[in-house]
Amino acid sequence: DAGVTQSPTHLIKTRGQQVTLRCSPKSGHDTVSWYQQALGQGPQFIFQYYEEEERQRGNFPDRFSGHQFPNYSSELNVNALLLGDSALYLCASSYRDRVLYSGNTIYFGEGSWLTVV
Amino acid sequence: SQQGEEDPQALSIQEGENATMNCSYKTSINNLQWYRQNSGRGLVHLILIRSNEREKHSGRLRVTLDTSKKSSSLLITASRAADTASYFCATDARNAGNMLTFGGGTRLMVKP
Repeated sequence: DAGVTQSPTHLIKTRGQQVTLRCSPKSGHDTVSWYQQALGQGPQFIFQYYEEEERQRGNFPDRFSGHQFPNYSSELNVNALLLGDSALYLCASSYRDRVLYSGNTIYFGEGSWLTVV
Repeated sequence: SQQGEEDPQALSIQEGENATMNCSYKTSINNLQWYRQNSGRGLVHLILIRSNEREKHSGRLRVTLDTSKKSSSLLITASRAADTASYFCATDARNAGNMLTFGGGTRLMVKP
């Protein structure tokens, strides 16, 4: 059973460019969330996708956008890259409890290291 | 903003000793999850404790939760050099829909 898979593992971009990161959730999971982790800090929630819609969003600008596909996989897009966007981007997957809407174990991928120069 | 705060920020112990990490949070929660992160890698799920539970065990791990004090602790017994990593607590707040809020983590070093 494959866990959460992310690609690419590392990439370098120039300021002003755009980047797309990809994630496949764990088998059986239908909810994908994205987190940004700056060096030496804890992860920060960017947004969450469920049923191909953005359901929740953290305190991130509109330059950060995403998409979820019918097979539950997801993409994170960041436009007009800034030096401060350099971070580890983590994808998390879970199964959405229809009653509680939360409360299940959340699994993370290995992350995509983005360096903006 | 970070809801949880881990304490201590860094911990250095000898192999075989026990390691205790604490986490405090601010709002009502559905559950609290502990994760381990090796340098530059992804997060590995360790244990989930629900708001109506007070203690859970998994192998050498013991997690406690005190909702009245809004705090949790992670105890690693008989530590090994391979336990060297950063440990994070993450809260799943009530009605937050699986959105985790992380603390800054505890960096544990276990010396052989």
